[in-house]
Amino acid sequence: DAGVTQSPTHLIKTRGQQVTLRCSPKSGHDTVSWYQQALGQGPQFIFQYYEEEERQRGNFPDRFSGHQFPNYSSELNVNALLLGDSALYLCASSSLTDGNTIYFGEGSWLTVV
Amino acid sequence: DAKTTQPTSMDCAEGRAANLPCNHSTISGNEYVYWYRQIHSQGPQYIIHGLKNNETNEMASLIITEDRKSSTLILPHATLRDTAVYYCIVSNAGGTSYGKLTFGQGTILTVHP
Repeated sequence: DAGVTQSPTHLIKTRGQQVTLRCSPKSGHDTVSWYQQALGQGPQFIFQYYEEEERQRGNFPDRFSGHQFPNYSSELNVNALLLGDSALYLCASSSLTDGNTIYFGEGSWLTVV
Repeated sequence: DAKTTQPTSMDCAEGRAANLPCNHSTISGNEYVYWYRQIHSQGPQYIIHGLKNNETNEMASLIITEDRKSSTLILPHATLRDTAVYYCIVSNAGGTSYGKLTFGQGTILTVHP
């Protein structure tokens, strides 16, 4: 049983460009949350998707958007990249039917140059 | 979500028990205590979570005080591979903040030979 999988693992983008990160949740999980972790900091909640809709959102600008597909997989899109967007982007999946346990993927390292 | 307070760093000898404390004095009745750890450059790894009863799994034990204002994560026989940042998080699992984890700075646990 695969856990939470994310792609790509590493990528480099130029300021102003757009990026899409992908996440497949743990089997049986229907809720996907995205986090940003800057170097030396703890992860910060970006937003959460459930039933293909954004259900909660953290304090991130509209340049950060997402999508959830019918198979529960999800994408995180960041437009107009800034140098400060360089971070580890983490996907977490959960389900109320799985004892409130929340699992994280290994993340996608984004470097903006 | 209630805030947590953890020591910045702790040391432990290999083979001994590591006891990591966490204060969450403003925890409310429907909030769970979660523990995660993160090894450099990897995604957070779920360890254990609980509501009010003590919990044990193959990785660790979680001891929650009767008033639920503090808890202790116990790694019974620490190994060098347990060196990581340990996060104690309080979250309203199942409520409006379901699936949203607010990370603090965590405790850097160093296990030495």
